[in-house]
Amino acid sequence: GAVVSQHPSRVICKSGTSVKIECRSLDFQATTMFWYRQFPKQSLMLMATSNEGSKATYEQGVEKDKFLINHASLTLSTLTVTSAHPEDSSFYICSARAPGLTEKLFFGSGTQLSVL
Amino acid sequence: SQQGEEDPQALSIQEGENATMNCSYKTSINNLQWYRQNSGRGLVHLILIRSNEREKHSGRLRVTLDTSKKSSSLLITASRAADTASYFCATDLPRGTYKYIFGTGTRLKVLA
Repeated sequence: GAVVSQHPSRVICKSGTSVKIECRSLDFQATTMFWYRQFPKQSLMLMATSNEGSKATYEQGVEKDKFLINHASLTLSTLTVTSAHPEDSSFYICSARAPGLTEKLFFGSGTQLSVL
Repeated sequence: SQQGEEDPQALSIQEGENATMNCSYKTSINNLQWYRQNSGRGLVHLILIRSNEREKHSGRLRVTLDTSKKSSSLLITASRAADTASYFCATDLPRGTYKYIFGTGTRLKVLA
């Protein structure tokens, strides 16, 4: 089956620093990837849609300058949390579609970000 | 918003019992999916049901869809301790956006 690798699984950083999270599709090409944010015991909130070779589409209320998304290749999308603050602490998850194969989403294992 | 509501929010049952969780959504859909999430992990796809289907089975899972009521249910039969997880429904937004909106989730605990 399709595998999505997300790295790192956990990161702790100081306030004001930037953190990059990678999402890779290992055995398929993902023209579209999605980034979500999840608070403890809550649902996933869609942050943005990452499209290979074009600008990401952000959901309402998500700061695009704060959460930079780059989808430079068909197998890699990155989310950079810029100038992180404690309120950015959260669980971030990516997912990818396997176009032409299935409508289901394949998820990375998530990244727990803690900003001190 | 489109986000689905799931109930119950939390469910605790004994091993061997059946677990039923429900999902309601707000707008028309092409398909609805159910996912499972173990604590601190990503989501795993369980089953997809299309808008023209009413019921679907996969192993111990049974999913129903009632588009007139905009609701779906997930039944896990003969539950096991390993089924302990959070379960989410996800509905697709129309117009081929391929975006899915996730419900509020049901936290299932199966006691051995």
